[in-house]
Amino acid sequence: AQTVTQSQPEMSVQEAETVTLSCTYDTSESDYYLFWYKQPPSRQMILVIRQEAYKQQNATENRFSVNFQKAAKSFSLKISDSQLGDAAMYFCAYRYSGAGSYQLTFGKGTKLSVIP
Amino acid sequence: EPEVTQTPSHQVTQMGQEVILRCVPISNHLYFYWYRQILGQKVEFLVSFYNNEISEKSEIFDDQFSVERPDGSNFTLKIRSTKLEDSAMYFCASRRDNTGELFFGEGSRLTVL
Repeated sequence: AQTVTQSQPEMSVQEAETVTLSCTYDTSESDYYLFWYKQPPSRQMILVIRQEAYKQQNATENRFSVNFQKAAKSFSLKISDSQLGDAAMYFCAYRYSGAGSYQLTFGKGTKLSVIP
Repeated sequence: EPEVTQTPSHQVTQMGQEVILRCVPISNHLYFYWYRQILGQKVEFLVSFYNNEISEKSEIFDDQFSVERPDGSNFTLKIRSTKLEDSAMYFCASRRDNTGELFFGEGSRLTVL
């Protein structure tokens, strides 16, 4: 079974600084997707960034980038130039890309605080 | 921007009562999901639904749970006889196709007393 581990329950960062959230996963599959979701307080989870396992290039979305290390099964999220609006719960998630597989497996989340 | 909406936002019920949680997915989406998160624990997959039938379900989704898309817009999760351990935040999600982005609702908090 797949597992996703986020070892940092809470993190904080100064506004305008950079922070990295860690995620490791375990799977025997070679084709899969990895995701980072953001959940602001009392709001829905929204997709921040997505990585296909077959792509060697790390995904980037504006201030958000990932460091995907497939051999190490590591998928960290880097937030540059942190803003107050980045404060949220961040979930790392995995999904097998094979046909008929629909479910996401989530980590426990990392609560990110941004200090003005 | 279209979004997934869920009602109620919070429901308190007595153990043994039936509960129905409602979701309105984004209108052109075809795949629907329920996830739940017990306080302090991981978000867990419950069930996926496509073409008017369950396509995948987890061990959590036992006979006490059922899903339905009664009218082409609502997607409901029914818990027939609630237990204390059903207390959780329940998230509905939808996607347009099997590779597209998954959109989540804000969640329905269920408290079973």
